[in-house]
Amino acid sequence: GAVVSQHPSWVICKSGTSVKIECRSLDFQATTMFWYRQFPKQSLMLMATSNEGSKATYEQGVEKDKFLINHASLTLSTLTVTSAHPEDSSFYICSAHYIGYTEAFFGQGTRLTVV
Amino acid sequence: KQEVTQIPAALSVPEGENLVLNCSFTDSAIYNLQWFRQDPGKGLTSLLLIQSSQREQTSGRLNASLDKSSGRSTLYIAASQPGDSATYLCAAMDSSYKLIFGSGTRLLVRP
Repeated sequence: GAVVSQHPSWVICKSGTSVKIECRSLDFQATTMFWYRQFPKQSLMLMATSNEGSKATYEQGVEKDKFLINHASLTLSTLTVTSAHPEDSSFYICSAHYIGYTEAFFGQGTRLTVV
Repeated sequence: KQEVTQIPAALSVPEGENLVLNCSFTDSAIYNLQWFRQDPGKGLTSLLLIQSSQREQTSGRLNASLDKSSGRSTLYIAASQPGDSATYLCAAMDSSYKLIFGSGTRLLVRP
């Protein structure tokens, strides 16, 4: 199967700082990437859809100015949590897709803790 | 709007039992349905993917079925083992490749 690498796997940051999470497709070109968030003991919720070369589409209730998504190349999408607060502490995970293939390939996830 | 529901929310069984996890979805216009396993504090492990044109998929002791008309999928685990203990998530994919996840079933297989 295709490999998606997500980095870092965990991060602890101070309240008010920004954190960048990278999602890379290692052996295929990902035309679309998705970012999900999972709070403790809850399921995964879609945050946004990221298409290469265009602005991300955010789900209802997700602040686009707080969660900046950049998909500058066919192999890399980044999620930046700006001015992070303790309530942003969560598990963030990306998935990548390429044209014509409907299976979702997930990164390993990033556990963000804001203190 | 697609909604995915999983029943039961939690399940505890003795080792060796066969078990069935249920997943239902409200919109039958899906591309596929996927089952994942998630261990505590970890990411997702893909178990089985059923395309919308398929009825079932099998991998080892796992068998997943799909009935689009009734909006249901089941994951059957044969001869359960303590190592099967995890949270099992089903997710329905729509035409834009978005995955809508269920809330999961937390499985505990007791030795």
